[in-house]
Amino acid sequence: EAQVTQNPRYLITVTGKKLTVTCSQNMNHEYMSWYRQDPGLGLRQIYYSMNVEVTDKGDVPEGYKVSRKEKRNFPLILESPSPNQTSLYFCASRTDSTYEQYFGPGTRLTVT
Amino acid sequence: GEDVEQSLFLSVREGDSSVINCTYTDSSSTYLYWYKQEPGAGLQLLTYIFSNMDMKQDQRLTVLLNKKDKHLSLRIADTQTGDSAIYFCAEIKAGYALNFGKGTSLLVTP
Repeated sequence: EAQVTQNPRYLITVTGKKLTVTCSQNMNHEYMSWYRQDPGLGLRQIYYSMNVEVTDKGDVPEGYKVSRKEKRNFPLILESPSPNQTSLYFCASRTDSTYEQYFGPGTRLTVT
Repeated sequence: GEDVEQSLFLSVREGDSSVINCTYTDSSSTYLYWYKQEPGAGLQLLTYIFSNMDMKQDQRLTVLLNKKDKHLSLRIADTQTGDSAIYFCAEIKAGYALNFGKGTSLLVTP
């Protein structure tokens, strides 16, 4: 089944404790991205990757890192999480023709 | 950046048609999308339309595009309680990111 998976689905952590949210897709898509969803603000792009070893900032990259060492994986790294990074995070991958983006199930992160 | 605008709420009776409207920002957007988000779930791609089309029909869904006014609409025929969700329209930006509206909460009442 074609899908985007994320882990963990839920995470509660404390300020400053490094964490990684994994994302994997099995559709051989070159383009992947991370979004965060916040009430009243909608979805905003954090980082994206056009291909292996090619990443770039989205609209809200501060406090986040990403890496793209393999085509299927695109982890999101929070080196020193802060409470304002409490949010619902979505990973997505995209077709190369019609640019349809397919989203993972989301990771709900709470930073206390 | 500029905002994609959607009304926040829509309530319809089961069996009626729902029309969700959206005003997007970039007249050069090549693709426009509709996503559905059910409570606690991710975003499900419902349909999309290419900018050289005026209309696209997909079963109960009809998308209308007015490029001159940068207006996009999603019509759901014979709306069911299972259609209750948040619906997002999105335009594609330069760099291929999606610029989302804030979503329209659709409530379908029996």
